Amino acid sequence: DGGITQSPKYLFRKEGQNVTLSCEQNLNHDAMYWYRQDPGQGLRLIYYSQIVNDFQKGDIAEGYSVSREKKESFPLTVTSAQKNPTAFYLCASSMAPGINSPLHFGNGTRLTVT
Amino acid sequence: GQNIDQPTEMTATEGAIVQINCTYQTSGFNGLFWYQQHAGEAPTFLSYNVLDGLEEKGRFSSFLSRSKGYSYLLLKELQMKDSASYLCAGTNAGKSTFGDGTTLTVKP
Repeated sequence: DGGITQSPKYLFRKEGQNVTLSCEQNLNHDAMYWYRQDPGQGLRLIYYSQIVNDFQKGDIAEGYSVSREKKESFPLTVTSAQKNPTAFYLCASSMAPGINSPLHFGNGTRLTVT
Repeated sequence: GQNIDQPTEMTATEGAIVQINCTYQTSGFNGLFWYQQHAGEAPTFLSYNVLDGLEEKGRFSSFLSRSKGYSYLLLKELQMKDSASYLCAGTNAGKSTFGDGTTLTVKP
């Protein structure tokens, strides 16, 4: 079955450490996205990529970095510069850039930084 | 800005009908999506409007008025499993902006 896989489901890190969250999709989707969700709030866009080797900043990109070397993969690195990294991180994909198609989400990674 | 406003919480009774409203203050969106999110899980797609009017999908329907910056999600024959958060998202060129979500509690 096609889908989006995020790993790990839970991640714990010490303050000051960088951490990379994995996102892989086998839906053959062109566009991929990273969102952050805090308790009681909606999703906020961190980064998105509409094609391989290209990506754009979302609304809250500071302290994060991404790469898109393969169509299937869009890893997110949470750097030590991110002031408040503890959150639920959701990766999503959609069929093609510039077209309003639904987002398909992975099951999320819950990151806790202490 | 591209604010999207939804009520924070709603309560309804099993078997009833509930309408969840969503308003937005900009004309920058060219589509409106609705997603359902159960606690601790990922959102799943429910419905989508790009033209004005009503889209019906089984127990769920969504309405859009672009001139009024207004959409609603209508849930019929409510079931206990419909207790979840409902997210309204405006889209433009494939980029989605989400509201904070409406937490719906269905009571027996």
